[in-house]
Amino acid sequence: SQELEQSPQSLIVQEGKNLTINCTSSKTLYGLYWYKQKYGEGLIFLMMLQKGGEEKSHEKITAKLDEKKQQSSLHITASQPSHAGIYLCGAYSGSARQLTFGSGTQLTVLP
Amino acid sequence: SAVISQKPSRDICQRGTSLTIQCQVDSQVTMMFWYRQQPGQSLTLIATANQGSEATYESGFVIDKFPISRPNLTFSTLTVSNMSPEDSSIYLCSVGTGRGETQYFGPGTRLLVL
Repeated sequence: SQELEQSPQSLIVQEGKNLTINCTSSKTLYGLYWYKQKYGEGLIFLMMLQKGGEEKSHEKITAKLDEKKQQSSLHITASQPSHAGIYLCGAYSGSARQLTFGSGTQLTVLP
Repeated sequence: SAVISQKPSRDICQRGTSLTIQCQVDSQVTMMFWYRQQPGQSLTLIATANQGSEATYESGFVIDKFPISRPNLTFSTLTVSNMSPEDSSIYLCSVGTGRGETQYFGPGTRLLVL
């Protein structure tokens, strides 16, 4: 089965700093999804990447999928306290019709 | 996109009791999923709720412990039976149209078992 590894597990940054979260797969990804979860709440869909080399941006968040489609990165520019939360990457595994998830990255942004 | 609501949003329960969690979607969907997120952990799929047939459970999860209903294309329930403190988790309902499509999540039900 496909495994997704996220790094770092946790990240503390000062407001205004840039940061990057990585998601690495043991197999080729046929769709990579990024979600954000505020503490104790549900998941908010951020972006979906499907093509090798694809890059998408929304406000100050940019996600990329590498050409080999085994690694994705999520980059936040000029971080704000509102960016704090847990970031999860997810992907479809094998013929499954539901997502499997990485272990998550806990982001804290200090004002 | 799909708007998903869950009830209750949180609950504190006694050991040995059962809790039923409801999931309502604002549109008809084929696939509904139930996930569990234990403290500090990522999401683990419990089962896929199929309309008109029995739910499909993942390894480590059984129908007696987590009975699921799916009476129509917009609603599902998950029951956590005979609860123990190890069942303390966030339970999330999710819907998707299939591979390659976005999967949307409800706000979650936060359960604490004493």
